[in-house]
Amino acid sequence: QKEVEQDPGPLSVPEGAIVSLNCTYSNSAFQYFMWYRQYSRKGPELLMYTYSSGNKEDGRFTAQVDKSSKYISLFIRDSQPSDSATYLCAMTGGFKTIFGAGTRLFVKA
Amino acid sequence: SQTIHQWPATLVQPVGSPLSLECTVEGTSNPNLYWYRQAAGRGLQLLFYSVGIGQISSEVPQNLSASRPQDRQFILSSKKLLLSDSGFYLCAWRVGNEQFFGPGTRLTVL
Repeated sequence: QKEVEQDPGPLSVPEGAIVSLNCTYSNSAFQYFMWYRQYSRKGPELLMYTYSSGNKEDGRFTAQVDKSSKYISLFIRDSQPSDSATYLCAMTGGFKTIFGAGTRLFVKA
Repeated sequence: SQTIHQWPATLVQPVGSPLSLECTVEGTSNPNLYWYRQAAGRGLQLLFYSVGIGQISSEVPQNLSASRPQDRQFILSSKKLLLSDSGFYLCAWRVGNEQFFGPGTRLTVL
């Protein structure tokens, strides 16, 4: 079993839609959870960072962590074509960070 | 602010040739540094990490090596490249529990 599972997509949505991206994980030691956005041929950029369970909102983005279910989500409201990218979840409980394989998102104008 | 540089941006190399990729960090001291490889459609594979000058930990057996000759410099090397070494190589540094990535080097081995 992989430590982190993430549906690779692709996920295609119309502009303005609400997008839900998810990851499941198996290691209960993970305490810090992150979402990265990666545009084609670029390095990943940190989008959201949360600690333990709960929600965190930043503009159109909301990160949600449910440690009891070992499930994390990223919601994008009012999605824009510029949101088209690959989104990687990541988590850490120590020195190393474990990344999901990434979900490719396409937002159609 | 902190900045991470990688070069070259793209590289095409023949099988059996040597490799040297460089990563430098600005705006911080004694960073934890990481090398990752990202194959097409796959996640980030941790290759090496370093907590200080001359201190390298290897995560995956392979024909690659890493060195950290200076506090803010991290180098990825190979003596003889394989076809399977093709990929997108990313250098990263970590502050607290957050990692920040460089722009990456796209390596194609022919």
